Amino acid sequence: QLRLQESGPGLVKPSETLSLTCSVSGGPISSANYCWGWIRQTPGKGLEWIGSSHYSGTTYYYPSLKSRVTISVDTSKSQFSLRLRSVTGADTAVYYCARHVYSGHYLFHFDSWGPGTLVSVSS
Amino acid sequence: DIVMTQSPDSLAVSLGERATIKCKSSLSVLYDNKNYLAWYQQKPGQPPKLLIYWASTRESGVPDRFSGSGSGTDFTLTISSLQAEDVAVYYCQQCYSAPPTFGQGTRLEIK
Repeated sequence: QLRLQESGPGLVKPSETLSLTCSVSGGPISSANYCWGWIRQTPGKGLEWIGSSHYSGTTYYYPSLKSRVTISVDTSKSQFSLRLRSVTGADTAVYYCARHVYSGHYLFHFDSWGPGTLVSVSS
Repeated sequence: DIVMTQSPDSLAVSLGERATIKCKSSLSVLYDNKNYLAWYQQKPGQPPKLLIYWASTRESGVPDRFSGSGSGTDFTLTISSLQAEDVAVYYCQQCYSAPPTFGQGTRLEIK
């Protein structure tokens, strides 16, 4: 059974970079049929897709976050990561990693999720 | 972005009764006879769990009391006989066009 687990700091200072890692076990990260994505959740904005990356290096980002986001896959460690630069309080959220069903450059639904990690942006 | 609007925001249903949650998309999510619409269940302190995709295909292991229907812009998630463990927030998500977007959620409680 596929398992995803987020890890990283729970507190980030404003203007700094939020960095999270998702460890994948129980299944291959190098699969043509999936991307590996990040979604965040806040009480105000609900569930918001941040972006997804295929193991081949192809990436897809939410347009309004694209200038600040990098998602990458490390197949040797079976991990993928999120970097969100220049954070503000609006980036405070629960961050989830998830497997994103994918085919022919189309992104579909999320069929497996990590438990989530709360990241607060505060000085 | 395609806007997903769910109704109602919250719903209370008696045990054993039917629960119906609606989801409306701002654009049709139907293409080539497939509706690019998924439903998720989120229990407190847990991540969302995929219930249904392609609007009506139940994910493996999901009880058959959960069903999805609809096409184009209007969709429904139905729980045929509510169980206590179904108390959760339910979300729809479109994957017709990037970026994938979610509804605001519907909170389901026991009456």
